[in-house]
Amino acid sequence: ELKVEQNPLFLSMQEGKNYTIYCNYSTTSDRLYWYRQDPGKSLESLFVLLSNGAVKQEGRLMASLDTKARLSTLHITAAVHDLSATYFCAVDIGNYQLIWGAGTKLIIKP
Amino acid sequence: DGGITQSPKYLFRKEGQNVTLSCEQNLNHDAMYWYRQDPGQGLRLIYYSQIVNDFQKGDIAEGYSVSREKKESFPLTVTSAQKNPTAFYLCASRWAGRGGHNEQFFGPGTRLTVL
Repeated sequence: ELKVEQNPLFLSMQEGKNYTIYCNYSTTSDRLYWYRQDPGKSLESLFVLLSNGAVKQEGRLMASLDTKARLSTLHITAAVHDLSATYFCAVDIGNYQLIWGAGTKLIIKP
Repeated sequence: DGGITQSPKYLFRKEGQNVTLSCEQNLNHDAMYWYRQDPGQGLRLIYYSQIVNDFQKGDIAEGYSVSREKKESFPLTVTSAQKNPTAFYLCASRWAGRGGHNEQFFGPGTRLTVL
């Protein structure tokens, strides 16, 4: 079965702290995407990871991909309230399709 | 400006009615998608289309229908056979050529409520 598992599914943290969201997947793929969704809004593309060892950084967020371990991480450094959102990973399985994780709801408290 | 538009933003349906959600893109993307999102949940694929006049069922196609007569447009009809259609509906598109990132870009969504 094709599965993408995110953990944790819910994360409440203090501003200034660091944390990591994990995305494990069950099939071979070398393309993985991270999206952000604010409450009541649509999804916004954050990172596109296209090969093993890919690392992308934008501000306080850094994403990486290990295709051999079938694992991607989204690391948050010195969290700020504006990063509160739900984060989804999605794995490209070919044939124009993505398999989505369930999302990680991140709440950052002042 | 290039992008994906969905209309209406909010839609109310009486039981037994069919309703059609619009999705238009001017990104010249080949592939288009419809997803359903229930509160607090992830995305579930309803239908997708790789090319004009062709589309495939996703994981939850029952009670829905689509058409792809033009590259820019991929409307979704929620039929009366869909027993629990209240949800947030998201349309996405993707460029399918070589050498690109190929990520899906999303429209703003339509929130459908059954009265």
